[in-house]
Amino acid sequence: EAQVTQNPRYLITVTGKKLTVTCSQNMNHEYMSWYRQDPGLGLRQIYYSMNVEVTDKGDVPEGYKVSRKEKRNFPLILESPSPNQTSLYFCASADRSSYNEQFFGPGTRLTVL
Amino acid sequence: QQQVKQSPQSLIVQKGGISIINCAYENTAFDYFPWYQQFPGKGPALLIAIRPDVSEKKEGRFTISFNKSAKQFSLHIMDSQPGDSATYFCAASTGNDMRFGAGTRLTVKP
Repeated sequence: EAQVTQNPRYLITVTGKKLTVTCSQNMNHEYMSWYRQDPGLGLRQIYYSMNVEVTDKGDVPEGYKVSRKEKRNFPLILESPSPNQTSLYFCASADRSSYNEQFFGPGTRLTVL
Repeated sequence: QQQVKQSPQSLIVQKGGISIINCAYENTAFDYFPWYQQFPGKGPALLIAIRPDVSEKKEGRFTISFNKSAKQFSLHIMDSQPGDSATYFCAASTGNDMRFGAGTRLTVKP
């Protein structure tokens, strides 16, 4: 089954404790992206990657890091999480022939205390 | 600053009624306008999309109306069903730059 998977689905952590949210897709997509979803703000892009070893900032990259060492994986790293990073996070992927048709993962709900 | 403005924030419709969600954008470079549907606990999923060279696109009960001169587009859900209850996001994109609206929570009452 074609899908985007994220782990963990739920995470409660404390301020300053480094964490990684993993994202993996099995569709051989070149494009991958991370979004955060907040009430009243919709989906805002954090980082995206056009291909392996190619990453770029989205609208809200502060406090986040990403890497793209393999085509299928695109982890999101919070080196020192803060309470304002409490949010619902989505990973998405798309084929390079149609960046607009993005396939989303199930989401990771992060709470930073 | 939201590049795509979506309204209403929430919408309650009776079963069988028409649901209408509106979006407006500023950047005339946008050339693709998708709508995503999100059920609770799930990620958004592409529902229907339109390009600016057409004024309307229909897929089943879902229709996008597009007004290029007004820089507005809307989603119409005909014969709304309780199973349509979800959050709907409009978006606008150019290349790999996609901007989402704030979302509309639709509730269809039986």
